[in-house]
Amino acid sequence: DAKTTQPNSMESNEEEPVHLPCNHSTISGTDYIHWYRQLPSQGPEYVIHGLTSNVNNRMASLAIAEDRKSSTLILHRATLRDAAVYYCIPSSNFGNEKLTFGTGTRLTIIP
Amino acid sequence: GAVVSQHPSRVICKSGTSVKIECRSLDFQATTMFWYRQFPKQSLMLMATSNEGSKATYEQGVEKDKFLINHASLTLSTLTVTSAHPEDSSFYICSAGTPSSTDTQYFGPGTRLTVL
Repeated sequence: DAKTTQPNSMESNEEEPVHLPCNHSTISGTDYIHWYRQLPSQGPEYVIHGLTSNVNNRMASLAIAEDRKSSTLILHRATLRDAAVYYCIPSSNFGNEKLTFGTGTRLTIIP
Repeated sequence: GAVVSQHPSRVICKSGTSVKIECRSLDFQATTMFWYRQFPKQSLMLMATSNEGSKATYEQGVEKDKFLINHASLTLSTLTVTSAHPEDSSFYICSAGTPSSTDTQYFGPGTRLTVL
C-alpha cells in the first residue's frame, strides 16, 4: 500500500475555500487517489477520486500533481457541516479492495 | 449513492457475552464486505475482508475465533464478537463494494460497542 502523509489538523473560516494536501510519493501507476471524510461518530463518506486529471463533483474538487506524488482536495466554500477528518487513500480498485486509512486531517471550521 | 446500513447502531453488553452486528447493502449486491474497527481518536483499522459464500480473510493480529464473520448472502454480512471484554469496546464499521469496477466503496454508519 502506498504511504500517505497529511497534516494532522487544519482550520478554516466558514465560507472560505479549504485546500487539504496529501503526499503519496510511493503511489503506483494504477492507483487512483480516493478521498473520504468521516464526520464525528459516523462511518466514512466518499468525497471524490481521480487518477491523473483534476476532478470536480458537487462536493469538492481534486487537484492531482503532474507526477501524481501529491494531491489537494479543495472545498470551495467550507460550511460547518464540512468539519470532519479527511483521508486520502491510494487504491487500485474501487469497491472490492480494502482501503488502508492513515491518520487523516482533522478539519475544523470556524464560524 | 448506494446505502449500507448497520444494526444495531449502539450496543452495551456485559463482559463474557457475545454480540452480533449486522451489515446490509440496501440497494445493491455486495460481493465483498469489509469490517473495520476504530478506537477513540484513532483511524480505522481493517479487521477482515468478507466475500459472499467463502471464509473471511482476517488481517494480521485479528483473532478469527473471537471475531466471527459470516457473509451468507450478497446483501448481508455479520460480525459476532464472542466472549466480549472491555478492551473490545470500539466503533465497528462495515463497508461494501459493488460488482462494478468503477464504483466506490460504501460505508455503514458504524456500531458503537461498549462492554462493561
